[in-house]
Parts: sequence; C-alpha cells; structure tokens
Amino acid sequence: AQKVTQAQTEISVVEKEDVTLDCVYETRDTTYYLFWYKQPPSGELVFLIRRNSFDEQNEISGRYSWNFQKSTSSFNFTITASQVVDSAVYFCALSLYGNKLVFGAGTILRVKS
Amino acid sequence: DSGVTQTPKHLITATGQRVTLRCSPRSGDLSVYWYQQSLDQGLQFLIQYYNGEERAKGNILERFSAQQFPDLHSELNLSSLELGDSALYFCASSINTNTEAFFGQGTRLTVV
Repeated sequence: AQKVTQAQTEISVVEKEDVTLDCVYETRDTTYYLFWYKQPPSGELVFLIRRNSFDEQNEISGRYSWNFQKSTSSFNFTITASQVVDSAVYFCALSLYGNKLVFGAGTILRVKS
Repeated sequence: DSGVTQTPKHLITATGQRVTLRCSPRSGDLSVYWYQQSLDQGLQFLIQYYNGEERAKGNILERFSAQQFPDLHSELNLSSLELGDSALYFCASSINTNTEAFFGQGTRLTVV
C-alpha cells in the first residue's frame, strides 16, 4: 500500500523567512508520481508540481523549489522569502496510476507579517 | 481559477436524504475524479471516470455513486446521508490519465 507522511502538522514563520515542508512517501512500485498541492483559506486545491519517479532533478519555480530524493523517499518543498500570501495548507501526494492520489495529512503554514 | 466548475458550493441537508453534486471539467479534459475531504479522514480518492467510463475506484461507499455524461460533465450522487458524510467534495479533471489534475473549488456538504 502507498502512504504519504507529512510529519509537520503546523509551521509558523515570519515573513521573508525560508521554510521547508517535509514529505516522506512509501511505495514498493518503481514507477510513481509525486505531487504538491496548496489549499489556501478559500478552500480550493491548487496544483503546484508533479514529478515522476524517474526524474530526480530538483526543480525551481520562482520562490518555490522541490528536492526529490529517492534514497530517502522524500519530496520536500521549500518556499524562499515567504510571504503572507503563502499561508495555506500544503499537501503532498503520491500516485501509481494517473491521478488516483494518496494524500498526506497536510502541513498548515502560517506566515506572519 | 482552475476551469473546473462545481455546483452547488454549499449544501445543507438532513440525514437520510439524497443529494447530487455536479462537476463540469475544464474544456478538453476527458478524465474526471471525485475526492472527499473530511476532518477525520483527510483527502480521499473516491472514483475516476474517463470519457464516460469508470476507470478507478477508491474508498467510495455503496451509498455513493457517480457517472460521467456524454458532454463529459459528472455527477456524484450521495444517498441515505449520515452525519459523517459531512465533508468537502472535490471534483478534478485532467486531459487524460497521465497528466496533472486540476481541482474545482469543492462542494461543502453539511448533513444535519
């Protein structure tokens, strides 16, 4: 069975601090996909990134970066110079097939001004 | 705006009743997914349709059913509602099963 663990239930930072959200996954399959979604206070789920298991290159998109390490089964997400608008719940997810996602419990990020 | 439209946004109903949640996928997307987000279970995959056919099933209760119509919109039917069915129900869509899914704003169901 697949499992995603987001050990950090809640993180509070002050604006402009860097913050890393941890994600550890479990699967016996060699082909899988990893995702991050953001859920702002308004409630919708916003897609951030999808990576497949064969692509371990780290990715940077503006202030966001992702570190995928198969050796530790981790797919961590870093926000650089955090802003108040980054306050949200962030979900890491895993799928073996398409978009049948197994989500982690989520990490609440609070960015204070 | 993801382009996925869900109606209604909010729904309050009594135990034992039946409701229908509707989802219009993004233009061009053939695949539709339903997820449930509740406080105790978190985000759970319910079911997937692709071009009108059921493709994958998750932890969907027998009291729940879904379908995807020829115009590709989808409906999730919830019957014999219980208090524990109160949750946020998300629909998502993707071009096919191998591309990322985009979620709608959800329908918040409250069973009283």
